Amino acid sequence: NAGVMQNPRHLVRRRGQEARLRCSPMKGHSHVYWYRQLPEEGLKFMVYLQKENIIDESGMPKERFSAEFPKEGPSILRIQQVVRGDSAAYFCASSPRGDREGGYTFGSGTRLTVV
Amino acid sequence: AQRVTQPEKLLSVFKGAPVELKCNYSYSGSPELFWYVQYSRQRLQLLLRHISRESIKGFTADLNKGETSFHLKKPFAQEEDSAMYYCALSGTTGKLIFGQGTTLQVKP
Repeated sequence: NAGVMQNPRHLVRRRGQEARLRCSPMKGHSHVYWYRQLPEEGLKFMVYLQKENIIDESGMPKERFSAEFPKEGPSILRIQQVVRGDSAAYFCASSPRGDREGGYTFGSGTRLTVV
Repeated sequence: AQRVTQPEKLLSVFKGAPVELKCNYSYSGSPELFWYVQYSRQRLQLLLRHISRESIKGFTADLNKGETSFHLKKPFAQEEDSAMYYCALSGTTGKLIFGQGTTLQVKP
């Protein structure tokens, strides 16, 4: 079991470009959570998805950010027209069930740098 | 409001000294609390969850509902314990609400 796989590990984008971050959950996990870690800050929840559905997007910025988790393939976090303030580490976590008792497994993260 | 507070950004101790990383929470229902550890910018790893009441790597944490705290303790710190520690609360829909994190530095 390869665990939660995120790619790329590092991503550099110029201001105005698009960033696509991928997350392949653990085998058998159908719940995916995305978190953002800004420099010198803790992790902030962004979005929770189940296969083909967005369950909770209360932490997503209203503009430029979107997420999907298709029936086949990884979950994608997409940031359009990136700005310097989007530079952060983006982590995803997967769970076999979306309940409150945890059981999350985190990926290694994607470090996005906007230049 | 759902909130987790870790008042110390950095905690520095000598090897062999006791460690207590503080965590306070605010949650209107019955809380589900966790401690995660992040070594050297690697992935977060679950260290403890309060429902299991187990000890991992010598660390323990007790939920104190009266004081709304979930402090992490270890009687004798080791150099390999140096890492970032996050206290987290499981909110509605299972999302985690993290504290700001405490960097534990164990000096030889």
